Amino acid sequence: DIQMTQSPSSLSASVGQRVTITCRASQDISIYLAWFQQKPGKAPKSLIYAADSLQDGVPSKFSGSGSGTDFTLTINNLQPEDLATYYCQQYNTYPWTFGPGTRVEFK
Amino acid sequence: QVQLVESGGDLVKPGGSLRLSCAASGFTFSEHYMSWMRQAPGKGLEWVSYISLGGDTIFYADSVKGRFTTSRDNAKNSLSLEMNSLRVEDTAVYYCARGLSWGQGTLVTVSS
Repeated sequence: DIQMTQSPSSLSASVGQRVTITCRASQDISIYLAWFQQKPGKAPKSLIYAADSLQDGVPSKFSGSGSGTDFTLTINNLQPEDLATYYCQQYNTYPWTFGPGTRVEFK
Repeated sequence: QVQLVESGGDLVKPGGSLRLSCAASGFTFSEHYMSWMRQAPGKGLEWVSYISLGGDTIFYADSVKGRFTTSRDNAKNSLSLEMNSLRVEDTAVYYCARGLSWGQGTLVTVSS
């Protein structure tokens, strides 16, 4: 199985700040990488697919990059509504696997 | 727009069975592969199962293989997950997914 890791596991940031989350796959997954946002008590919502493509309706403050084994999610101009846990997921190979998540909190 | 509504979650004893359903609307169901995902309380996300457009190809996570069965009814725009020999560690919110779009989930609690 492909193992996904994320760093950091949590971060504390200020409103207006830019944050970056890193995701690493244990083997090459090309661009088959998605990012999800999960707010407390809610279902996960897809933000990014194919490593850098924004889902319809997702604000352009979210962006993704990378290919192969190393990927990043960047959130610009952090706002209170961005408080959530962010997960990466590879869908190159079954079983699909997820990173352990990065919790974004506010200072 | 894509709507996925799960149902069937309940409290069940270890060793028991449960059937989850997912009603799909807003898209041509028969033209999309479907998946089940789950999330244990306070834990991360886990892929459970995949089913192809016609239902002839199905994959399962090792953790549920031999105990869970996924099926679909394209005439009724419906996806199902039959869960047998349930274990305490199967306690989770179960989500139906079309690609990267997920429903709101249904809670399965396995406890004596």
